[in-house]
Amino acid sequence: GNSVTQMEGPVTLSEEAFLTINCTYTATGYPSLFWYVQYPGEGLQLLLKATKADDKGSNKGFEATYRKETTSFHLEKGSVQVSDSAVYFCALIGGGGNKLTFGTGTQLKVEL
Amino acid sequence: DTGVSQNPRHKITKRGQNVTFRCDPISEHNRLYWYRQTLGQGPEFLTYFQNEAQLEKSRLLSDRFSAERPKGSFSTLEIQRTEQGDSAMYLCASSLEGGPAFFGQGTRLTVV
Repeated sequence: GNSVTQMEGPVTLSEEAFLTINCTYTATGYPSLFWYVQYPGEGLQLLLKATKADDKGSNKGFEATYRKETTSFHLEKGSVQVSDSAVYFCALIGGGGNKLTFGTGTQLKVEL
Repeated sequence: DTGVSQNPRHKITKRGQNVTFRCDPISEHNRLYWYRQTLGQGPEFLTYFQNEAQLEKSRLLSDRFSAERPKGSFSTLEIQRTEQGDSAMYLCASSLEGGPAFFGQGTRLTVV
């Protein structure tokens, strides 16, 4: 079956630090990959996505590249802000499927 | 309002009672999903509809759970004879076929 593994949190960074949140996956077929973000008190929001190998998704300074050879989709941002503090979820939709399979989430805390 | 709306936002119920949640998707979206999220975990798929047809149900969806989408618009999720293990955040999402899923803010259920 499909599964997503992401690094445990919380991850605590100083403002303007570089961020990497690791995500690896197991899936049948050729999945589409997603990062969702959940800000405190809010619902899940789609952050970025990639639908095929070597695609790079990007949004709000965040990037992730679909690496088929390493089955990974790591989230990166060059300079985090306090407002980026949230829980980040890596997710996939398996090839031909319709439902999202999520990782357990990684909490990011950014301090001044 | 152009987002996914869920009601109520919070529900506290006594064990053994029945509860019903409502989800209003984004109006032009033909797909509607229900997920369940417990503390420290990612959302887990429960069921999904394409228009009014319920096309897939997870093994997590015991016979105490039933979901409907009678006219292909809003959906309801009913839990009968609630148990403490049903305490969770229930998330609804909607999408166009092939498009990304947009989530509501969820209904937090507490069974006491």
